[in-house]
Amino acid sequence: RKEVEQDPGPFNVPEGATVAFNCTYSNSASQSFFWYRQDCRKEPKLLMSVYSSGNEDGRFTAQLNRASQYISLLIRDSKLSDSATYLCVVNDGGGADGLTFGKGTHLIIQP
Amino acid sequence: EAGVAQSPRYKIIEKRQSVAFWCNPISGHATLYWYQQILGQGPKLLIQFQNNGVVDDSQLPKDRFSAERLKGVDSTLKIQPAKLEDSAVYLCASRPRTRGGNEQFFGPGTRLTVL
Repeated sequence: RKEVEQDPGPFNVPEGATVAFNCTYSNSASQSFFWYRQDCRKEPKLLMSVYSSGNEDGRFTAQLNRASQYISLLIRDSKLSDSATYLCVVNDGGGADGLTFGKGTHLIIQP
Repeated sequence: EAGVAQSPRYKIIEKRQSVAFWCNPISGHATLYWYQQILGQGPKLLIQFQNNGVVDDSQLPKDRFSAERLKGVDSTLKIQPAKLEDSAVYLCASRPRTRGGNEQFFGPGTRLTVL
């Protein structure tokens, strides 16, 4: 069974701090990796894709370690608006490319 | 550009009743997905359509769940009969035909409560 494991939190972090989340995935053949953000009672939205070389989008940095089957997300200079649930997501590729989601990590940024 | 539309937004039924959800994907998106999200968990794929054909329904409880996308555009998901454990948000997502991007765009979901 394919699984994506995340620490559900919550992570309570003061505004301006740096916070990091990790997740692990079980299927070594997985092809694509993402972080989605989900606000309370809203639908998930793509935050960023995760590439093998690591990638950055503003205050957000994502890393992938295929050997350890490990994905990370780093948020620098956290804002109150970053409060949300962050879903680690894996796609096995091919024709059947439905996403496999972790349970999510709940982040609360405190003023 | 209009997003993925879903209706109804909320539904409350009693166990053993039937219910149907509707989804209209973003115009031109060939691939459509239905996910089930139980409270406190991430979404779980139920079924994937490519145009009007089923690509993956391995996680769909076929004894009670059915889905169709007859004309390759909008889709319906039905539960008959519903059980208490079916209480969840049912999310529809779509993706364009091109493989250049993997982003799936989600609708607002239908929140189902089974009493």
